[in-house]
Amino acid sequence: KQEVTQIPAALSVPEGENLVLNCSFTDSAIYNLQWFRQDPGKGLTSLLLIQSSQREQTSGRLNASLDKSSGRSTLYIAASQPGDSATYLCAAFNQAGTALIFGKGTTLSVSS
Amino acid sequence: SQTIHQWPATLVQPVGSPLSLECTVEGTSNPNLYWYRQAAGRGLQLLFYSVGIGQISSEVPQNLSASRPQDRQFILSSKKLLLSDSGFYLCAWSGADTEAFFGQGTRLTVV
Repeated sequence: KQEVTQIPAALSVPEGENLVLNCSFTDSAIYNLQWFRQDPGKGLTSLLLIQSSQREQTSGRLNASLDKSSGRSTLYIAASQPGDSATYLCAAFNQAGTALIFGKGTTLSVSS
Repeated sequence: SQTIHQWPATLVQPVGSPLSLECTVEGTSNPNLYWYRQAAGRGLQLLFYSVGIGQISSEVPQNLSASRPQDRQFILSSKKLLLSDSGFYLCAWSGADTEAFFGQGTRLTVV
């Protein structure tokens, strides 16, 4: 059964810092991996999707990598801003595409 | 472009009352549809998924049921709510590339 773990659970940084959020999964037979952002009381916003055949994806200040052999993904945020404060969730799609399994998230706080 | 609508945004219901949450998707056909629940301090738990009309798979035993009466409509129901059904319910859809998109969620409080 797929399990997704995110470390750290919470992170506080000053504005301008570069930071890395970590995600690990137990079953490397995934279809893809997706990173989301969730603001308090809101739904999830898709940030980046990495297909299983890809190694990384970039969008603006965000870069996500995928290493299936080690069961790890990282989300790199460059030059963090207070508006980046949110909970970041990592999720792995099973090979059948029928279930997206989530980690518990990393809650990021960026202070100005 | 595709959009997903979920309502209501908040709901307060007494124990033992019925529940019906609705989710609709626009701008795509034959999507995979999902219901998730997010309880306080816990991760997102997959409740149901559907790959087509009338096709529902349940991931966990619970007091809830789901139905898909139309291609782009997904409904979460309960005949009698329990206190433990309180939580944040999220509907999602995915297409051929399996990128998932979520609705804005329904905050359900059972009192």
